[in-house]
Amino acid sequence: AQKVTQAQTEISVVEKEDVTLDCVYETRDTTYYLFWYKQPPSGELVFLIRRNSFDEQNEISGRYSWNFQKSTSSFNFTITASQVVDSAVYFCALSESYSGGGADGLTFGKGTHLIIQP
Amino acid sequence: EAGVAQSPRYKIIEKRQSVAFWCNPISGHATLYWYQQILGQGPKLLIQFQNNGVVDDSQLPKDRFSAERLKGVDSTLKIQPAKLEDSAVYLCASSWGLQEQYFGPGTRLTVT
Repeated sequence: AQKVTQAQTEISVVEKEDVTLDCVYETRDTTYYLFWYKQPPSGELVFLIRRNSFDEQNEISGRYSWNFQKSTSSFNFTITASQVVDSAVYFCALSESYSGGGADGLTFGKGTHLIIQP
Repeated sequence: EAGVAQSPRYKIIEKRQSVAFWCNPISGHATLYWYQQILGQGPKLLIQFQNNGVVDDSQLPKDRFSAERLKGVDSTLKIQPAKLEDSAVYLCASSWGLQEQYFGPGTRLTVT
């Protein structure tokens, strides 16, 4: 069975600090996909990034960066120079492929509530 | 491009009543998902459709929950009868192939 663990329930930092959100996953499949979603106070889940299990390259997008390490089954998310608008709940999620050619539903972690104080 | 549409946005019912939620996915997305998000938790998959066929409904409480996607486009999720523990946000998502899922705004259900 697949599982996603986000051990940090809540993180509070002051604006402009860097912050890393941890994600550890479990899966028996060799092919799988990892995601991060943002859920602001408005409630809608916003897609941030998707990573394939066969691509361990780290990725940077503006102030956001992701560190994928298969050896430790981790997919951590770092926000550099945080801003108040980054305040939200962030979810890490896992999906496995299936024989029908599409992706399974997502297994989500419990989420990390990030609070950026001005 | 229009996103995933859901209605209603909010619903309050009494326990043992019935309720239905509607979802219209992004045009061209063959896969449609329904998730339940209880306050303070991550979303949990209830059911997944590929076109109008069910791919996974292993976590759907089938004694009270049902869902359909008759024409392979929009979908309806029903709860009958509702229980207090069904209070949650019901999220619909859609995707194309192995691409990421896009979520709708959700329906917040309160069962009193």
